[in-house]
Amino acid sequence: SQQGEEDPQALSIQEGENATMNCSYKTSINNLQWYRQNSGRGLVHLILIRSNEREKHSGRLRVTLDTSKKSSSLLITASRAADTASYFCFTNYGGSQGNLIFGKGTKLSVKP
Amino acid sequence: DTEVTQTPKHLVMGMTNKKSLKCEQHMGHRAMYWYKQKAKKPPELMFVYSYEKLSINESVPSRFSPECPNSSLLNLHLHALQPEDSALYLCASSQVEYGETRVNTQYFGPGTRLTVL
Repeated sequence: SQQGEEDPQALSIQEGENATMNCSYKTSINNLQWYRQNSGRGLVHLILIRSNEREKHSGRLRVTLDTSKKSSSLLITASRAADTASYFCFTNYGGSQGNLIFGKGTKLSVKP
Repeated sequence: DTEVTQTPKHLVMGMTNKKSLKCEQHMGHRAMYWYKQKAKKPPELMFVYSYEKLSINESVPSRFSPECPNSSLLNLHLHALQPEDSALYLCASSQVEYGETRVNTQYFGPGTRLTVL
């Protein structure tokens, strides 16, 4: 069953604007990660937030985690055309290598 | 070297063919993964190898047969596939921490685009 649910499914913004994507999950997790995928290519790891962390920054990326609501958000500030891609949250729950699930993803389009 | 390579980039095969997908990494990662991704869908985990041993098989049909001949290589052998198996097949690797891949920060290859006729 799908663990992560993302919204919106698609997001279209202008360059320079901020983009916010949300992810909800169903059970307790060890950590939550965000990945980016350019069209038809491999995924690139963006950022990881552990279950005992509430916020994390990396460059123009800001990730929050609310374990009480079982949700996370990814904020991309000052977006660029090169940020156009699909963004997936990824959860790892349980004590083993199993239970590795990607959310449905948000397709972000940044117009120049 | 933080690259995961996959060959071939594209593969077209008939339902009676036997083919293999290959994946290689030289980051010293001891966990390797196969994912299947259909168009406009997220990747779905197929197999996980840890220390060259199969640790996770997500109820994948037997027409997909994984193999991990050494710590750098991962193969996916394909036989008698169906048209619905057409997809992007992604390989990934990660470190194994605390004896388990708890963190699972994965490095992905570019994928093999498979078409089954």
